[in-house]
Parts: sequence; C-alpha cells; structure tokens
Amino acid sequence: NAGVTQTPKFRVLKTGQSMTLLCAQDMNHEYMYWYRQDPGMGLRLIHYSVGEGTTAKGEVPDGYNVSRLKKQNFLLGLESAAPSQTSVYFCASARDGFYGYTFGSGTRLTVV
Amino acid sequence: GIQVEQSPPDLILQEGANSTLRCNFSDSVNNLQWFHQNPWGQLINLFYIPSGTKQNGRLSATTVATERYSLLYISSSQTTDSGVYFCAGGKAAGNKLTFGGGTRVLVKP
Repeated sequence: NAGVTQTPKFRVLKTGQSMTLLCAQDMNHEYMYWYRQDPGMGLRLIHYSVGEGTTAKGEVPDGYNVSRLKKQNFLLGLESAAPSQTSVYFCASARDGFYGYTFGSGTRLTVV
Repeated sequence: GIQVEQSPPDLILQEGANSTLRCNFSDSVNNLQWFHQNPWGQLINLFYIPSGTKQNGRLSATTVATERYSLLYISSSQTTDSGVYFCAGGKAAGNKLTFGGGTRVLVKP
C-alpha cells in the first residue's frame, strides 16, 4: 500500500505562474485535506473534501482552488503564484474524518 | 474558531527520561488527534483520542474532555522520539482539524 502520494516533491515557481499539486490515496478514504505548513508553525487547512465531487474552504483558502473528480485524487491549484505561497504543502486523507488520518510526504514549493 | 495551545514549546530530554506534553483547547472538540512529525518532515498519526486514555508502546495519551485538555506521555524516551509533536482538534463539519503550534522534542543520547 502506497498510502497517500503527493507529486511533485519540490517545485520552484516564478511569481504569476500557475501549477497543480496532485494528491492520490489508495485507502478508499472519503475525506481528503490540503494543509500548508510555514516555518515554526503548525498546519493550516486550505481546502477539504468529504467525498467525490465535493470541496469546501478551510482556514486559508485565498489564492487556491481544488477539485475532487475521482475519490482517490485531490488536486490543489495555484492560478497565479505569489511569494506568500512559499510553503510546504501536505495532503491528508481519513476514513471518516476521525480514523486513519494519513499524511503524504509533502511538497516544498518556493515562489520567487 | 477553536484555539489550540501546546506546551512546552521546546523540550530537551536525555535518553531514557519520561516527559509530558500538554494541549489545551478553547472550546470542546469531538475530534482530537496527536501527530508526530519526524526530523525529515513526515507526519504520523499517533492517537485519535476525544476522551479517555490510550496507550501505544511507550506512548500514551489522556484526554479530559470536560476540562478541554489532552496530555501525551513519552516514557523511556529514545532518540527516534525526536521531532515535533502536534495536537489537533475539531468539531465542525468535515471534521476539520485545527492544529496547535507543536512541541519540539530533542532526545539526546
């Protein structure tokens, strides 16, 4: 079992460029989440999904969009990257939001 | 929203020592989790513990829901216990979690 896989692992963007981060899980989990972690801080929720075809805003959604067209995939998009979006992005999935919380290994994004 | 405070922010231990980490919540939660982030950045779920006590090897956790706090105990610490420990809680739709700022633990050999 691969668990939760994030691609890419590292990326450098120029201000104004766009990109998509992919999260894939093979545990048949209903719930999926995107978090960002900034130096010395805890994780902050960007967007989340409670099932295929659903998405909702988290704590810091501005500048990001998401889609969950298939149950196993949760995509995070940056339409016009800004230096303030330099961070480590983590995807997570959970069976029902309570059990089986599993994180991916993270994507380190730098916007210059 | 819910505020989550963790203490202490930093902890240095000698290998073999015991320690207690604390997590306070500003409001009641029905979803409470503990995570460990190792020095390479990987986050591992330790406990789902909205109330009561659970044990997993040398780690145990206790949540007193009525007083809105949770404790994580590390016994006979090892160097592999180093990293950052996060607690997180929530009760809103989607079972969203709000994370605390973490306790950074360094276990010295």
